[in-house]
Parts: sequence; C-alpha cells; structure tokens
Amino acid sequence: DQQVKQNSPSLSVQEGRISILNCDYTNSMFDYFLWYKKYPAEGPTFLISISSIKDKNEDGRFTVFLNKSAKHLSLHIVPSQPGDSAVYFCAASATGGTSYGKLTFGQGTILTVHP
Amino acid sequence: ETGVTQTPRHLVMGMTNKKSLKCEQHLGHNAMYWYKQSAKKPLELMFVYNFKEQTENNSVPSRFSPECPNSSHLFLHLHTLQPEDSALYLCASSRGRQNTEAFFGQGTRLTVV
Repeated sequence: DQQVKQNSPSLSVQEGRISILNCDYTNSMFDYFLWYKKYPAEGPTFLISISSIKDKNEDGRFTVFLNKSAKHLSLHIVPSQPGDSAVYFCAASATGGTSYGKLTFGQGTILTVHP
Repeated sequence: ETGVTQTPRHLVMGMTNKKSLKCEQHLGHNAMYWYKQSAKKPLELMFVYNFKEQTENNSVPSRFSPECPNSSHLFLHLHTLQPEDSALYLCASSRGRQNTEAFFGQGTRLTVV
C-alpha cells in the first residue's frame, strides 16, 4: 500500500508558465513534507519543505501548498525554466515517535519545460 | 561537490560475489540512510542509522548487510544477490530526526548478473 502517491507520471510545460506538481498521502501521522528534484545520474536534491503547522511555504520560484484535510500537497514553480526539467519526488515524514528522519517517497513526476 | 559521496558509481556483480558499497558524508550529520530505487518504483528506505546505531531495518533480506563504523561512514555489504536486486542504491544523511531534510549521494547503479 503506497502511502505517498504522485498520480501524474509526467508533466510538460512551456517556459515561463506555471508548473504544478501534485502529491497525495494517506498516513495521517505524516507531519513534515518535502520535495526533491532529481537529474539523471545524480541523487535527489532537496528543494523545499513544509511542516503541517503551515499551509504554504515559499522559496523564490518554488511554493509548496499543503491541504491537510485533503491530505494533498502541491509544488508550484513559476516561472518555469528549461533547467527545471527533472524528476520531482514528493516525500513525507512522521517526526514523532522513533522514526529518525524516515522518508516515504512518491513515485516521482517527470517535468519537462519546453523553451 | 556533494556533501555525501558514494563509491562506486556503477557496479556489476555475479550472484555469488561479495561486494560492498561505501558512503561518506562531510556534513557533520548524525543520521545516515540506505535507500533503494528500482525501476518505476518509489525510493524505498532500507536502513537507518543514528549516532552509529541502527534504528530501522525495513524488512530487508539478510543478503544486504549494513555497517556504520562512525557517524560519517556507512557501508552496505552485498552477498549472494539476485538479479531483481539490480537497482540504484542511494545513501543519505541528515542532522537528526525532526524536520530536517536528507541530503543524498549520487547513488551506486548496481547490476546483478
């Protein structure tokens, strides 16, 4: 049973437009959420995170929105640039208990930004 | 330069071989992790170490054996693997347990023949 789901395997966007990547989760114990970006032949790189006490976190062109009641988060990239083309992973963590930084990942969404 | 370094980057091994993957972090972090990424599957957590102590083994077969001699180094010893174990193995580290992001190495692409 997959606890973090990214239902869109791929997304294609024109340069300058907004990219919206979506993620759903099922485990109500998750209280910290992260987005990672991965280029081919490299490890995932941390992008942005949000704690469950917030519903929005912004960092430059990247904004993450969290809807706890819907168990849904999204990553907005605006404006999108060709260099943003990569695989984007959503991850979730339950920071209580004994899980030391254990992250549960979604399957990833391949973002392609066309010039 | 990444703060988490994995060697080798690529490894091809037979089913009867014994090999080890190495991970080193230069970030002063306390926790280290092994993740596995198989084709078309999410990253799966394998092992967690915090202050050199293993705190989680995510039902990983015994043919994978982790070792953490200190907070900066993590090994994954491989023995009698199966072709289905072919995957990208990623090491990560983090400061600690709460609200801290994990930093990943570039991974070892393992092929079992």
